Amino acid sequence: NAGVTQTPKFRILKIGQSMTLQCTQDMNHNYMYWYRQDPGMGLKLIYYSVGAGITDKGEVPNGYNVSRSTTEDFPLRLELAAPSQTSVYFCASSYRGAVGDTQYFGPGTRLTVL
Amino acid sequence: AQSVTQPDIHITVSEGASLELRCNYSYGATPYLFWYVQSPGQGLQLLLKYFSGDTLVQGIKGFEAEFKRSQSSFNLRKPSVHWSDAAEYFCAVGLYGGATNKLIFGTGTLLAVQP
Repeated sequence: NAGVTQTPKFRILKIGQSMTLQCTQDMNHNYMYWYRQDPGMGLKLIYYSVGAGITDKGEVPNGYNVSRSTTEDFPLRLELAAPSQTSVYFCASSYRGAVGDTQYFGPGTRLTVL
Repeated sequence: AQSVTQPDIHITVSEGASLELRCNYSYGATPYLFWYVQSPGQGLQLLLKYFSGDTLVQGIKGFEAEFKRSQSSFNLRKPSVHWSDAAEYFCAVGLYGGATNKLIFGTGTLLAVQP
């Protein structure tokens, strides 16, 4: 049981390039989340999904897109990368969306935009 | 607005010493509270959580936290720190945000352990 896996671990992009951050979970969780973590800041929610085919915006969605075609996968797409998107990105999942549910996190992707 | 404050950005303790990491929250109702730990190069791992009942909560790795409503606090404690506890610790409040829960994170406390 691998839990939540993310690829790549590190990436450097030039301004204006695009990329997709991959996230996969093998726990059959319905809910999945994308967060970004900036230095000295807590994690901020970018997008989330409550099941295959259903996604919604979080706190900081601008500049990102997501899709959820399967229960397992929740890729995050960056179009026209900007220096402000330099951050560490975490994917997480939970079985339900209830307030007390534990979210399980992947190891993160460190992205630098130059 | 709901918020979480971790007043200590960086703490250094000696191995074997006791530890207390502070967390204060701002939330109108009884909160769901979490402590997560992030080891270097790893994702966040849940240490413990509180949402009702006994205000002293036991977690993994020998950690505990106490909910104090009067002080709006949920401080994390460990009686004897091990070198492997060096990590970043995040306090979070769980909120119901419509379709799903949402976690509001504090800015984290980086713990260094001296031999």
